[in-house]
Amino acid sequence: EAQVTQNPRYLITVTGKKLTVTCSQNMNHEYMSWYRQDPGLGLRQIYYSMNVEVTDKGDVPEGYKVSRKEKRNFPLILESPSPNQTSLYFCASSLQRTNEQFFGPGTRLTVL
Amino acid sequence: AQKITQTQPGMFVQEKEAVTLDCTYDTSDQSYGLFWYKQPSSGEMIFLIYQGSYDEQNATEGRYSLNFQKARKSANLVISASQLGDSAMYFCAMSGSGYSSASKIIFGSGTRLSIRP
Repeated sequence: EAQVTQNPRYLITVTGKKLTVTCSQNMNHEYMSWYRQDPGLGLRQIYYSMNVEVTDKGDVPEGYKVSRKEKRNFPLILESPSPNQTSLYFCASSLQRTNEQFFGPGTRLTVL
Repeated sequence: AQKITQTQPGMFVQEKEAVTLDCTYDTSDQSYGLFWYKQPSSGEMIFLIYQGSYDEQNATEGRYSLNFQKARKSANLVISASQLGDSAMYFCAMSGSGYSSASKIIFGSGTRLSIRP
């Protein structure tokens, strides 16, 4: 089944404790993105990747890191999480930037 | 800079009526794409419809159509014969050509649609 998977789905952590949210797609898509969704703000792009080893900042990259060592995986890293990073995070992939995106189920992160 | 504006935070519509969700955009790119996504209360994001900036005809997908007015920079979603299952949050999004927009994808703030039985 074609899908985007994210893990974990729910995470409660404390300020400053490094964490990684994994994202994997099995559709051989080139373009992958991370978004955060906050009430009233819609989805805001954190980072995106056009292909392996090609990543760039979206609109809200501060406090986040990403890597794209393999085509299928695009992990999101929070080196030192803070409470303002409490949000719902979505990973998405598409064949190319101009194609429809397939979204993962979301990761609800709470930073205390 | 690119921008997407959805001016209707919430809408109530009677079942079986048609509904139009507004979306205006701003970009200096010549080539761009416009998308609509649906997010039901369960939280998943569902792709509905796509319109390319050079497409001459308005996109349609079943009960969904996109009213694309390039000169006015609007890309409204029209849902015909609304159903109770259409109650959800709807997001308009845009991808640029990769020159001025640097390959970003941006979303509007969304419209919450509620269908009354």
